[in-house]
Amino acid sequence: AQKITQTQPGMFVQEKEAVTLDCTYDTSDPSYGLFWYKQPSSGEMIFLIYQGSYDQQNATEGRYSLNFQKARKSANLVISASQLGDSAMYFCAMREVRRNQFYFGTGTSLTVIP
Amino acid sequence: DTEVTQTPKHLVMGMTNKKSLKCEQHMGHRAMYWYKQKAKKPPELMFVYSYEKLSINESVPSRFSPECPNSSLLNLHLHALQPEDSALYLCASSQGRQGTMNTEAFFGQGTRLTVV
Repeated sequence: AQKITQTQPGMFVQEKEAVTLDCTYDTSDPSYGLFWYKQPSSGEMIFLIYQGSYDQQNATEGRYSLNFQKARKSANLVISASQLGDSAMYFCAMREVRRNQFYFGTGTSLTVIP
Repeated sequence: DTEVTQTPKHLVMGMTNKKSLKCEQHMGHRAMYWYKQKAKKPPELMFVYSYEKLSINESVPSRFSPECPNSSLLNLHLHALQPEDSALYLCASSQGRQGTMNTEAFFGQGTRLTVV
């Protein structure tokens, strides 16, 4: 079964607007971490933001915030004030405590339009 | 230093060649990973080393042979590859303590491998 689902293969957003990238996950482990990575065309995977399963508050890192809805098993990434440099692939990932392994979603290709 | 360094950045090899990919980190991380990524696809896990021991092998063909000489280095030895093995190979590291979930993986820039 798919551990991480990203249902938006491609997204477009106007520069300076906010955009939400969807991510749902599936696990029976009560302890897990959720991560978002950005991958520009150069190939490097850049860590953006982390949310732990026991965290009460949504994570924020600069223009990135994570909308964590535990009951729905969703961990959507919100990018505020989009910039042209935000154009990239975005991957949602999960790490279960019991296994030292990161599961990745299929990714969302974000294009920021001037 | 939050860097994972991979060499080479690009590699073209013939199907009869033997080559190695190298990965290095100096963050004291004890888990290191090899991923294979095809264009517009997510990274696929190949191997995980935990405390220099191979802990996960995701049924990777034997023409890929990992090696972890010490806690800072990870190699991937390649032999008799096929054209379909052409991909971006990513190395990553994390703190690697089981029982911890809040440790992100740091990735290198990858090696773009082309098999001709």
